[in-house]
Amino acid sequence: GQNIDQPTEMTATEGAIVQINCTYQTSGFNGLFWYQQHAGEAPTFLSYNVLDGLEEKGRFSSFLSRSKGYSYLLLKELQMKDSASYLCAVIEGTYKYIFGTGTRLKVLA
Amino acid sequence: EAGVTQFPSHSVIEKGQTVTLRCDPISGHDNLYWYRRVMGKEIKFLLHFVKESKQDESGMPNNRFLAERTGGTYSTLKVQPAELEDSGVYFCASIQREPPNTGELFFGEGSRLTVL
Repeated sequence: GQNIDQPTEMTATEGAIVQINCTYQTSGFNGLFWYQQHAGEAPTFLSYNVLDGLEEKGRFSSFLSRSKGYSYLLLKELQMKDSASYLCAVIEGTYKYIFGTGTRLKVLA
Repeated sequence: EAGVTQFPSHSVIEKGQTVTLRCDPISGHDNLYWYRRVMGKEIKFLLHFVKESKQDESGMPNNRFLAERTGGTYSTLKVQPAELEDSGVYFCASIQREPPNTGELFFGEGSRLTVL
């Protein structure tokens, strides 16, 4: 069956580094996305991994290990505006996107 | 370029009434998805259109839900009659399959449905 797990909530301090983990069990894996969603807004794309390894994009990095069914999103130099929900999503086949419950990140001053 | 737009942003109806949600995808995006997020749960897939055809509607909860995409442009999702458990945020997303294609879904801001 399909299963994507993320922690429900995390708290971190401004300027710190935080790692949000995501584990998945799906069939026909074809890539993993991370989205950011501020309350009341649309989810917005952060990163995409289809091969093992680390993808870096500014303050955000995303890692994938397909053999372990594991990904993480790393946020550096945290800012207050990074307080949001972070959604892990897996593509099965060519078009089916499956989402986790999301991790609500609270950044404290 | 306009993003994915959804209407209404919030709808409050009574149990047994009908509601129709509308989604306008990004122009040129043939693939359109409907998702639903119930409080505290994951964003759950409802269905997927390719142009006007339903590619996959395996996520539709029951026959009270009807989605259409006549002409392959905007889509509507009708709930009739609405039940309490239908409350949630309904997201629409679209994607361009032709190059340049980054594979990412573009989401609308969602339509919040509250059934009383």
